[in-house]
Amino acid sequence: KNEVEQSPQNLTAQEGEFITINCSYSVGISALHWLQQHPGGGIVSLFMLSSGKKKHGRLIATINIQEKHSSLHITASHPRDSAVYICAATPRSNTDKLIFGTGTRLQVFP
Amino acid sequence: GAGVSQTPSNKVTEKGKYVELRCDPISGHTALYWYRQSLGQGPEFLIYFQGTGAADDSGLPNDRFFAVRPEGSVSTLKIQRTERGDSAVYLCASSLGLAEADTQYFGPGTRLTVL
Repeated sequence: KNEVEQSPQNLTAQEGEFITINCSYSVGISALHWLQQHPGGGIVSLFMLSSGKKKHGRLIATINIQEKHSSLHITASHPRDSAVYICAATPRSNTDKLIFGTGTRLQVFP
Repeated sequence: GAGVSQTPSNKVTEKGKYVELRCDPISGHTALYWYRQSLGQGPEFLIYFQGTGAADDSGLPNDRFFAVRPEGSVSTLKIQRTERGDSAVYLCASSLGLAEADTQYFGPGTRLTVL
């Protein structure tokens, strides 16, 4: 079982829909990261959070430390949001590294 | 300012050959990370540098893999006697290195194909 798991693996949506991607982790963490990866490999860090909620534009990330669960929400989705969204954890036992989930491939159609 | 850069963007080599992959981190970032991403998978940690020293190399799969960062800036990942299973995208990231869990800034990756 992976230490960081995401669902769904694939997600399609119509433009304008509200999207939720979920991440569960089994290790104690210092921080939880949400990353965006576009075709061609470039990875962009969206959020780093250790409690509560963060918002940036149409993106919202939440984390529940007790339940070891985080969600990434996209409001009013747009085709340009199409990408792979990756959840990654900085484990408390080793803050040198990130443990990655396998990603959620999102396609937003016009 | 400039982000993390990696060269080459693509590398095709034959089984058994030696390859070097280069990472140029963001200026002033003391922490540098190498990851490997196989097709359809999330990235996997390889090695972490704090300054010039490899603070954690626990992710290197075997002794064919080695990385250096001699002046605390540019890093080179070296793979000897390449195997087909080494084919992947090799990602580099850097961070300020000041906090326990800094935001990491990723380069575009080097796609390595071993024939």
